[in-house]
Amino acid sequence: AQKVTQAQTEISVVEKEDVTLDCVYETRDTTYYLFWYKQPPSGELVFLIRRNSFDEQNEISGRYSWNFQKSTSSFNFTITASQVVDSAVYFCALSERLKGNKLTFGGGTRVLVKP
Amino acid sequence: GAVVSQHPSRVICKSGTSVKIECRSLDFQATTMFWYRQFPKQSLMLMATSNEGSKATYEQGVEKDKFLINHASLTLSTLTVTSAHPEDSSFYICSARTTVQETQYFGPGTRLLVL
Repeated sequence: AQKVTQAQTEISVVEKEDVTLDCVYETRDTTYYLFWYKQPPSGELVFLIRRNSFDEQNEISGRYSWNFQKSTSSFNFTITASQVVDSAVYFCALSERLKGNKLTFGGGTRVLVKP
Repeated sequence: GAVVSQHPSRVICKSGTSVKIECRSLDFQATTMFWYRQFPKQSLMLMATSNEGSKATYEQGVEKDKFLINHASLTLSTLTVTSAHPEDSSFYICSARTTVQETQYFGPGTRLLVL
């Protein structure tokens, strides 16, 4: 079973639309971290956010927002008023303390924002 | 802060030759560095974990004699692909982490093409 599941492989939206990326994780560890990274066409992974398992507060950073719900093991990411520059592959990742905090990535969601 | 560089960004080599890729943390000391491999349109797969001054820990299925990793200082880790073959062609990405933070910061990646 996959530890990190990103059910949407590709999402296409028109500029200014909102887009939500789903991430469901699986762990038995009580201490873990969840991450989102952005990978634009250039290939570099850009860190967006880190959340620890004890902090379920949602977070907003500009047009980005994250919804962490332990009850459903989900850590969803929303881009509000999308822009062409948001076009990229977005990866959700899990790191578990009992596994040395190595990152396990989801399969990624490719977001295409059309003008 | 938290900048990681990789060199070279792109390399083309003949089958049978060895290729060395460098990963440097520019503004922080990285006790731990990680090496990932990414095939086109796929997610990142962890190859090995490198701790400064000790032998790297390889993930299952990764040949340690094929992918030599050295982490000689707190700011530099190298990955050498020995006797490269066309199937080794891939995008190799490193990341670095300090002892305090749990966030991994990624380098820009190296595209390897073996002819």
